[in-house]
Amino acid sequence: KAGVTQTPRYLIKTRGQQVTLSCSPISGHRSVSWYQQTPGQGLQFLFEYFSETQRNKGNFPGRFSGRQFSNSRSEMNVSTLELGDSALYLCASTRTGGLDTQYFGPGTRLTVL
Amino acid sequence: SQQGEEDPQALSIQEGENATMNCSYKTSINNLQWYRQNSGRGLVHLILIRSNEREKHSGRLRVTLDTSKKSSSLLITASRAADTASYFCATQGAQKLVFGQGTRLTINP
Repeated sequence: KAGVTQTPRYLIKTRGQQVTLSCSPISGHRSVSWYQQTPGQGLQFLFEYFSETQRNKGNFPGRFSGRQFSNSRSEMNVSTLELGDSALYLCASTRTGGLDTQYFGPGTRLTVL
Repeated sequence: SQQGEEDPQALSIQEGENATMNCSYKTSINNLQWYRQNSGRGLVHLILIRSNEREKHSGRLRVTLDTSKKSSSLLITASRAADTASYFCATQGAQKLVFGQGTRLTINP
């Protein structure tokens, strides 16, 4: 069974631009969560989607948004990029969310110049 | 904000030795999980221990959980060079995972 895939793996953007990251969960998994990892703040929860609905949200500004499609694939969007948005963005999938084990993708490394 | 606090922040040992990492947390949990991350890559799930469990084993890994002290430990026995990585504990309350800052483990040959 294929693991969680994320595209692109690396991305360079400039301040003020927007970016869309994609995550394909493990087949059969319906919940996708997104995390931001930075050296200063560590791993922080962004949001979770289950059956196309946002079920949980972390403490991030409205510039960070996401969505989930009927095939469980998910995208997250960051608008008006700031230098501080440079980070590794990780997505994780579980079969039903809740207290299941989360399986992580390799991440997208975003650099904002 | 981080719930899990890990100790030590960095650990360097010789190959073959055992490595112990500790995690403390603040609020009640449903489970606690340990993950490994190699050099800025994705997280690999190692082990999940539920709040009603005290100890769990998986291969060379042993995890303990003391809910009265709100702490957990991860023991890696007979370490190998391939164990060099960052290790994170993550607590799960209602749903979302909250990660600690991690322990950077280096295994010296």
